Amino acid sequence: DAGVTQSPTHLIKTRGQQVTLRCSPKSGHDTVSWYQQALGQGPQFIFQYYEEEERQRGNFPDRFSGHQFPNYSSELNVNALLLGDSALYLCASSFPPDGNTIYFGEGSWLTVV
Amino acid sequence: AQKVTQAQTEISVVEKEDVTLDCVYETRDTTYYLFWYKQPPSGELVFLIRRNSFDEQNEISGRYSWNFQKSTSSFNFTITASQVVDSAVYFCALSARSSGSARQLTFGSGTQLTVLP
Repeated sequence: DAGVTQSPTHLIKTRGQQVTLRCSPKSGHDTVSWYQQALGQGPQFIFQYYEEEERQRGNFPDRFSGHQFPNYSSELNVNALLLGDSALYLCASSFPPDGNTIYFGEGSWLTVV
Repeated sequence: AQKVTQAQTEISVVEKEDVTLDCVYETRDTTYYLFWYKQPPSGELVFLIRRNSFDEQNEISGRYSWNFQKSTSSFNFTITASQVVDSAVYFCALSARSSGSARQLTFGSGTQLTVLP
């Protein structure tokens, strides 16, 4: 049973560029959430997708956007990258949308230079 | 608003010692869930336990045990006879209805546990 998978695992981008991160949820899960974890801090909620729509959003600017596909996989897009966007981006999946057990992937390490 | 506080930033113990990680939470909801996750250097958050606000029974799973006390808004985690492989960052997290319809987690800042051989 595959868990939550994310790609790429590591990437380096230049300030001002755009980045797309991908996530495949755990088998049987239809809800995907994204979190940002800065170095030395706990993860912070970005947004959640269910039925291909954004259900809820945390305190993040519009530069952060996402998408969910019919197969439940998801993308996180960040435009106009800032140095402060350097972080570990974690994808989490659950079922149902308010499923009480939430599983995380290994994350995508983004460095903005 | 929800808040989770993990006052211990770093803890270092010698192998086979017992260690307790503290977690204090704040929420106005009467229905909520508390979680503990382990994060090894690879980055993945490994789910350890979930408790709901109506179940104050303490739980033991192997060398792990959890003490949930609503009266003090605490959900502490104890590792008995620690091992080097327990070295990781441990996060306490809270999920409550008032945070929205989504099962959004609010995390503490984490406790770095180092177990020395």
